[in-house]
Amino acid sequence: ELKVEQNPLFLSMQEGKNYTIYCNYSTTSDRLYWYRQDPGKSLESLFVLLSNGAVKQEGRLMASLDTKARLSTLHITAAVHDLSATYFCAVSMDSNYQLIWGAGTKLIIKP
Amino acid sequence: AAGVIQSPRHLIKEKRETATLKCYPIPRHDTVYWYQQGPGQDPQFLISFYEKMQSDKGSIPDRFSAQQFSDYHSELNMSSLELGDSALYFCASSPRLAGVDNEQFFGPGTRLTVL
Repeated sequence: ELKVEQNPLFLSMQEGKNYTIYCNYSTTSDRLYWYRQDPGKSLESLFVLLSNGAVKQEGRLMASLDTKARLSTLHITAAVHDLSATYFCAVSMDSNYQLIWGAGTKLIIKP
Repeated sequence: AAGVIQSPRHLIKEKRETATLKCYPIPRHDTVYWYQQGPGQDPQFLISFYEKMQSDKGSIPDRFSAQQFSDYHSELNMSSLELGDSALYFCASSPRLAGVDNEQFFGPGTRLTVL
């Protein structure tokens, strides 16, 4: 059974700091996704990672994938208040397109 | 760009009533997924459809059913509603093509409140 674990589940940080969210999954996966969700809102796709060593960056966010370690990271550089949200990682496999989600990391960035 | 459309956006029902949620996928997306998200929870996969056929089934209660129509829109039918069914219900769509990332794009969600 595919399981996805995120940590930390809650993160409060000051603006300007750097931090990393970790996403571990239990079995071989073909695709890893990062989503952002603001309270009561929809899920916004941030990154899709398909291969070992994949790295993608958008603004202050950078995501990477290590398929051998079954680990993805979402790194936040010089955080700003607008990045406050809940960040989810999710995994799917070719045989089953449903997304298996991590519990989410609630990120609060204080001005 | 066109996005996934869900209706209604908000719905209030009494226990034991029925509800129908609708989802209109992004044009040319042939796969639709339904998710349920409780307060403070991660989304839980309910069911998906590919080319109008049920594709995968997750934790969908027997009281719920869904289908995808010839125009690719999908409906989630919920009967004998319970208090615990109160949640955000998301629909997502994607193109299902081999070798592509099959990224799922989410609609705005329907907030269902069961009283």
